Amino acid sequence: QVQLQESGPGLVKPSETLSLTCTVSGGSISSYYWSWIRQPPGKGLEWIGYIYYSGSTNYNPSLKSRVTISVDTSKNQLSLKLSSVTAADTAVYYCARRMPVAGTHGMDVWGQGTTVTVSS
Amino acid sequence: QSVLTQPPSASGTPGQRVTISCSGSSSNIGSNYVYWYQQLPGTAPKLLIYRNNQRPSGVPDRFSGSKSGTSASLAISGLRSEDEADYYCAAWDDSLSGFVVFGGGTKLTVL
Repeated sequence: QVQLQESGPGLVKPSETLSLTCTVSGGSISSYYWSWIRQPPGKGLEWIGYIYYSGSTNYNPSLKSRVTISVDTSKNQLSLKLSSVTAADTAVYYCARRMPVAGTHGMDVWGQGTTVTVSS
Repeated sequence: QSVLTQPPSASGTPGQRVTISCSGSSSNIGSNYVYWYQQLPGTAPKLLIYRNNQRPSGVPDRFSGSKSGTSASLAISGLRSEDEADYYCAAWDDSLSGFVVFGGGTKLTVL
């Protein structure tokens, strides 16, 4: 079965760029949409954006100016870059797969999440 | 401030039926499917309900979803201690170029 694993630095300095990778195992990244979602400590979920395996993207308007999501099909990985980070970007970051059902935005496979702290 | 509105807390005793509400608008719940996620402490969210009332394989039929207009509900019957978790509703929002919106989450306590 498909498994997702997020990885990247756990500590990022303010104003720098947060970079995370999600490795897909047990299945192909192709033919699916993939998401990044985050959860600040003690708070709710926030959707960051989607990427289709072909590379087309859709971002949360509140983060769009700072976010880039990309995919590397040869490595079965997707990546997240969030620029100009502040303490408000401190969160657990999850990658997730969108259900392979047309017109459906449910996310049925999730990684375990990785904690990123923004601090000097 | 979440786009979808949920009560911050809910509670029930074992065996009871509890419902959690989720309120949105015409651009999200009113015109798109609703999804529900369960997040147990310290774990990633798990999809409970998709397309308003469909359960993924493996989700017990104690969990059910419904939608009416711009609101939706998650019902849990035969409440169990292991149901104690945070529950989030979500939907696609058609405004701007479209994006996924979540509720603020409801913490369910099994008394």
